[in-house]
Amino acid sequence: SAVISQKPSRDICQRGTSLTIQCQVDSQVTMMFWYRQQPGQSLTLIATANQGSEATYESGFVIDKFPISRPNLTFSTLTVSNMSPEDSSIYLCSVVVGGEQFFGPGTRLTVL
Amino acid sequence: GQQVMQIPQYQHVQEGEDFTTYCNSSTTLSNIQWYKQRPGGHPVFLIQLVKSGEVKKQKRLTFQFGEAKKNSSLHITATQTTDVGTYFCAGINTGGFKTIFGAGTRLFVKA
Repeated sequence: SAVISQKPSRDICQRGTSLTIQCQVDSQVTMMFWYRQQPGQSLTLIATANQGSEATYESGFVIDKFPISRPNLTFSTLTVSNMSPEDSSIYLCSVVVGGEQFFGPGTRLTVL
Repeated sequence: GQQVMQIPQYQHVQEGEDFTTYCNSSTTLSNIQWYKQRPGGHPVFLIQLVKSGEVKKQKRLTFQFGEAKKNSSLHITATQTTDVGTYFCAGINTGGFKTIFGAGTRLFVKA
């Protein structure tokens, strides 16, 4: 299994600012995934982060808007840059361990 | 691109009634997973199906994977109020590693 923690758990931000979300896993994993879940919606994959290489972004998501760091096998950060109200969402990091996908508790972001 | 469609979007049941949610993929899947998300919580892994025609049971929950590996269902027998939440299917297409989530079915159970 895997235990994932995220910081912050929630934040309220002003438009035009940036927020960095941290994700810590209790075991070493090759890939970490970042998802977005807008209110009442499903999960959308933002990017896949591998340690030692640039993240792979899904269609509709770009590095300038969502820069990701992956400095080691247990940690990753996602930055939401130049925020607008449309970025209000829950951001979740996720890993796959033993064939099971585990999610962090999420970061609830509100942009005013 | 690959799409995973899930129906119904919502389901209201009386406690004790059965519930089923269905999932269909536009492409053949290498496996399908099911998750439950309680209100205010994060998705929690329930099960993974890999084999064509596979059926797995967890107490009152029955999961099926279609013969063509393009559809799946989750059936809950005799729902309880603790079953409330959103149930997501998620598929990984053959040769891929990315999990694509269905839209989810939100279950409401009235006591």
